[in-house]
Amino acid sequence: NAGVTQTPKFRILKIGQSMTLQCAQDMNHNYMYWYRQDPGMGLKLIYYSVGAGITDKGEVPNGYNVSRSTTEDFPLRLELAAPSQTSVYFCASSFAQTGTEAFFGQGTRLTVV
Amino acid sequence: TQLLEQSPQFLSIQEGENLTVYCNSSSVFSSLQWYRQEPGEGPVLLVTVVTGGEVKKLKRLTFQFGDARKDSSLHITAAQPGDTGLYLCAGAEGNNRLAFGKGNQVVVIP
Repeated sequence: NAGVTQTPKFRILKIGQSMTLQCAQDMNHNYMYWYRQDPGMGLKLIYYSVGAGITDKGEVPNGYNVSRSTTEDFPLRLELAAPSQTSVYFCASSFAQTGTEAFFGQGTRLTVV
Repeated sequence: TQLLEQSPQFLSIQEGENLTVYCNSSSVFSSLQWYRQEPGEGPVLLVTVVTGGEVKKLKRLTFQFGDARKDSSLHITAAQPGDTGLYLCAGAEGNNRLAFGKGNQVVVIP
């Protein structure tokens, strides 16, 4: 079972470069989330989606963009990378919001230099 | 934003000891979840508690949801090195967001 697949696993970017973090799930989940995790800071919500064509900002959306053209895919775009975006990024999906399990990918470790 | 506060932030104990960690909020949640995260991996769900006062057991782990549904605790009996990890509580906010606390880092020393 693939579950939630994130690519790449590691990436080093130079300041000002752009990249897209890919996330795909094969569980037909409606809800998808992007989080960033900094040391000692838990998970902070960047963007989320409740279905194809619908996205909304989370707690820390500045510097990021998302799209949800299909149920399966939820890419996260960094347009102008900054050192403050150095973090581990996790994508997650769930069938519903309340009381159901969120499944996480293995994460993307991004370093901006 | 509903804030989930977890305490203690870091806990180191010897194998065989018991421990309790806490997740508190000033807001009421319809449900709370506990996840465990190991280094280099994403969080994995341990349990979901829904009813105020509910107690759930998962082998040596006991989860309790407060009567007012604002707080939760996780108790580990006779901790083992395999229990080492970051324990995260999560609650669903009214605007479709799934929010997480900062986590309880637990280290069990053999």
